[in-house]
Amino acid sequence: AQSVAQPEDQVNVAEGNPLTVKCTYSVSGNPYLFWYVQYPNRGLQFLLKYITGDNLVKGSYGFEAEFNKSQTSFHLKKPSALVSDSALYFCAVRDAGSNYQLIWGAGTKLIIKP
Amino acid sequence: GAGVSQSPRYKVAKRGQDVALRCDPISGHVSLFWYQQALGQGPEFLTYFQNEAQLDKSGLPSDRFFAERPEGSVSTLKIQRTQQEDSAVYLCASSLTNPNTEAFFGQGTRLTVV
Repeated sequence: AQSVAQPEDQVNVAEGNPLTVKCTYSVSGNPYLFWYVQYPNRGLQFLLKYITGDNLVKGSYGFEAEFNKSQTSFHLKKPSALVSDSALYFCAVRDAGSNYQLIWGAGTKLIIKP
Repeated sequence: GAGVSQSPRYKVAKRGQDVALRCDPISGHVSLFWYQQALGQGPEFLTYFQNEAQLDKSGLPSDRFFAERPEGSVSTLKIQRTQQEDSAVYLCASSLTNPNTEAFFGQGTRLTVV
């Protein structure tokens, strides 16, 4: 079965430290992978995606993600966290049987402490 | 408008009542999606429109759920005879053309069935 796992419900990081939000997936075929962020009282916002090409994908707000095919992972990273990065982060993968359906993880709450 | 607009933001319905949730996508966006998001979970796909054509409604949980987009812009998600298990946040998203490109989400409608 196709699935996305975000193993951490919450990640706590001190401001200025690097952050990683983990995502692993299980899908047949080549995955299309996405990261979205949800700030309080705002809609989900696109951060970045991997379709093909370089395994390191750069996105909005200084975030990047590394596609690792052997580990079936697509972890979100940022070299230096800001308090304003505190939000809910969702990983998603396109359903291999569809041109558009996304399968979403349950989300990871990221808390950046000053 | 500048973004995807959903109304109402909050809806409380008595069990058995019919509700209609509205989505105004970004002008010119061809693709439109509806998702259901339960508390503490990621979004789950409900249905997909390309212009006015509903290409996929496989995610609609029952025949009480109905969606339309008659002129290829505004969409309405209707739920008949609401049940408590319908309580969730209903998200609408649109994208310009290819549904694998960046999707823009509305803030959602939080439906509570009492």
